[in-house]
Amino acid sequence: QKEVEQNSGPLSVPEGAIASLNCTYSDRGSQSFFWYRQYSGKSPELIMFIYSNGDKEDGRFTAQLNKASQYVSLLIRDSQPSDSATYLCAVNNQGAQKLVFGQGTRLTINP
Amino acid sequence: KAGVTQTPRYLIKTRGQQVTLSCSPISGHRSVSWYQQTPGQGLQFLFEYFSETQRNKGNFPGRFSGRQFSNSRSEMNVSTLELGDSALYLCASSLVWGGNTEAFFGQGTRLTVV
Repeated sequence: QKEVEQNSGPLSVPEGAIASLNCTYSDRGSQSFFWYRQYSGKSPELIMFIYSNGDKEDGRFTAQLNKASQYVSLLIRDSQPSDSATYLCAVNNQGAQKLVFGQGTRLTINP
Repeated sequence: KAGVTQTPRYLIKTRGQQVTLSCSPISGHRSVSWYQQTPGQGLQFLFEYFSETQRNKGNFPGRFSGRQFSNSRSEMNVSTLELGDSALYLCASSLVWGGNTEAFFGQGTRLTVV
């Protein structure tokens, strides 16, 4: 079992709709959770982080964390073509700066 | 505020050679981590430095090494390059070590081994 799992996609969503990206992790000791966006040929860009159970909203983005189910998700409201990218889920365990990444979900927003 | 700076951006090396990559973290950040990204394996943790000390190491052979200087700048070195070392090498900068703290990536160094 991989430590962090994501559906590789591609996930295709019409413009203006809600894109839902999911991630599960295996280490119950995981403490912090991150979503990065990576455009083709570019480096990962941090878009959301969440440390506590529940929802965290930032503009069009909402991160959701359920530690009991070992599940973290990212919702993108009012999806735009510029949101088309690969979204990487990362989990920080061991209390150190060691991020474990999922394989990423490729998201395409169709105009 | 300047971001994370990695140099060089691109490198082409021959098998058997060695290479040194450089990373300057965000001003005030003291933790630097290195990652390798390949299409097959995704993003994998190499090692992390804080206060000039390696705090954590990933599952990579000893050919991969690094260090951090007193100004928090970091270098990583790969010796005896193999074709499989071709990858995007990313450096991430964090304010502190451990706990809940965000990591910000540089633009990366794309290494091609021929």
